[in-house]
Amino acid sequence: EPEVTQTPSHQVTQMGQEVILRCVPISNHLYFYWYRQILGQKVEFLVSFYNNEISEKSEIFDDQFSVERPDGSNFTLKIRSTKLEDSAMYFCASSTSGEKLFFGSGTQLSVL
Amino acid sequence: GENVEQHPSTLSVQEGDSAVIKCTYSDSASNYFPWYKQELGKRPQLIIDIRSNVGEKKDQRIAVTLNKTAKHFSLHITETQPEDSAVYFCAARVNTGFQKLVFGTGTRLLVSP
Repeated sequence: EPEVTQTPSHQVTQMGQEVILRCVPISNHLYFYWYRQILGQKVEFLVSFYNNEISEKSEIFDDQFSVERPDGSNFTLKIRSTKLEDSAMYFCASSTSGEKLFFGSGTQLSVL
Repeated sequence: GENVEQHPSTLSVQEGDSAVIKCTYSDSASNYFPWYKQELGKRPQLIIDIRSNVGEKKDQRIAVTLNKTAKHFSLHITETQPEDSAVYFCAARVNTGFQKLVFGTGTRLLVSP
């Protein structure tokens, strides 16, 4: 069964550093998302992406965040200058129709 | 914006009992309601979903009911088993221009043998 894959599984960085989280959505999916989950809390929407542009973003997704689909398969989330509060599990998800979201296994980001 | 409330936050049952988790949503235009199961350290996985034109849907031991008037939807698990132990999240699809999912706060279900 096709899966959304994410790399790395864990990322440790120093505050103020840039990080790039990578995702390979399921190949025939057209809708892409980034969500994050702080330990023990709910899954929070960050951004949605369709037809090579951002469709919607949350208040969390400020100017420090950006997304890109650099080629036909990868979907990346960049955090330009990480803060302590950016520490969370980041999930990529994809969907054919915007309904059934399939999540990747996540990248645990730790900002020190 | 859309807000999804979920109760209870924790639920402990004995193996074989039923478990019910309830959610309410605020946006009456929401039209799609999935449930996700998240085991410890794993990704959320879709277990069942329902659209707003249907009142109930069942898949083996799990069922979801929707009350559009009251803006409630519930997950029902019958004959619970220890492997049902996980965190369950409800979600509602916000009918904005793009239709993102907004998640509830999660219910930690513990099924004791």
